[in-house]
Amino acid sequence: ILNVEQSPQSLHVQEGDSTNFTCSFPSSNFYALHWYRWETAKSPEALFVMTLNGDEKKKGRISATLNTKEGYSYLYIKGSQPEDSATYLCAFPSNDYKLSFGAGTTVTVRA
Amino acid sequence: NAGVMQNPRHLVRRRGQEARLRCSPMKGHSHVYWYRQLPEEGLKFMVYLQKENIIDESGMPKERFSAEFPKEGPSILRIQQVVRGDSAAYFCASSPPGLGRDTQYFGPGTRLTVL
Repeated sequence: ILNVEQSPQSLHVQEGDSTNFTCSFPSSNFYALHWYRWETAKSPEALFVMTLNGDEKKKGRISATLNTKEGYSYLYIKGSQPEDSATYLCAFPSNDYKLSFGAGTTVTVRA
Repeated sequence: NAGVMQNPRHLVRRRGQEARLRCSPMKGHSHVYWYRQLPEEGLKFMVYLQKENIIDESGMPKERFSAEFPKEGPSILRIQQVVRGDSAAYFCASSPPGLGRDTQYFGPGTRLTVL
């Protein structure tokens, strides 16, 4: 079982503000890092698969960076909107397929 | 292209009954994964299947749980003689053939409640 940690566990953001949070993972035997966005009662939605050290990926106002040497990834939300409220999960495959998930960061955007 | 389908979405069983959870992967996907979310816990890997083969069931309890992905039809996660501790959300994901760098696409989950 791999130790994938996310912090903070939750955060509240004012609409229009930007925010970021962290996923840390084992830095050895790196395959990839996955980010998901999960709204209550819906399917986890894939955001990014990050594979290279220094990778930066962007989808709309959401972006992510990756540091495989030190074992962390940041997810950024720029200009938060109420629809960004969700739990953001990162997952680290311990081999080709077995995803170990962090506990998630729950973001609540206040209008 | 329809996403990953799971049914039922909610399932209530009494202790000792059997639960059958179904997962239809996305079109063109031949790899299926089952994950479980126990109350107050994160998603935990259970089993990885390809058509007619169980590749890795290391996350599945040794007793009462089984999974299959037949040549035709959906993948089935079967829990025999359910107990209250089996109450959880069970998620299925699918991916095309490939390495762990490929995205796993998740279904909406089946929420099992054992009375």
